[in-house]
Amino acid sequence: GAGVSQSPSNKVTEKGKDVELRCDPISGHTALYWYRQSLGQGLEFLIYFQGNSAPDKSGLPSDRFSAERTGGSVSTLTIQRTQQEDSAVYLCASSLFGLGGMDNSPLHFGNGTRLTVT
Amino acid sequence: SQKIEQNSEALNIQEGKTATLTCNYTNYSPAYLQWYRQDPGRGPVFLLLIRENEKEKRKERLKVTFDTTLKQSLFHITASQPADSATYLCALDPSGGYQKVTFGTGTKLQVIP
Repeated sequence: GAGVSQSPSNKVTEKGKDVELRCDPISGHTALYWYRQSLGQGLEFLIYFQGNSAPDKSGLPSDRFSAERTGGSVSTLTIQRTQQEDSAVYLCASSLFGLGGMDNSPLHFGNGTRLTVT
Repeated sequence: SQKIEQNSEALNIQEGKTATLTCNYTNYSPAYLQWYRQDPGRGPVFLLLIRENEKEKRKERLKVTFDTTLKQSLFHITASQPADSATYLCALDPSGGYQKVTFGTGTKLQVIP
């Protein structure tokens, strides 16, 4: 069975350009998360999806960041007018959301997209 | 404010010894706590989960303790091997409502042959 797939694995872009990052979660996983990890730092929560809706967008750093999820599956994270401080690894995770919280629902991560803004 | 703290300095231990990593948290009442392993260039991989009403959980050479009074979890790797070298992250879920999983910054473990 395939795991969480993210593309591209690496992206170099010029400051001011828009980028789109893609996440294919594990089939059947209803919960999807985006995190950001800067060099030597921990994981910074960005946004959470349950199905196609995003009950928690509190981690999005600015209005340049947006995300959507369609068909309860693929998600895209879009960063508009990229800045150098956006350079980081963007990690996507999915989980099989069940009643009782994390009990049966550890997060399954992709290997991330390394974004470099020059 | 809510905070999850892990030893920011790397932990170096000799092969065969027991590695002990610490996760402390403040202003949380987590229902669950998880530990993940992260290798360079890869996403974190789930290792163990422990519930707030459990004191200890074991899986092969791994052991996790959870003290909600001290607000601390300890993660032990017994008979450590060089292949155990990685960064280890603890993660908290404050409730069973939905999983806003928050991660600590991780501790880098180096097992020296």
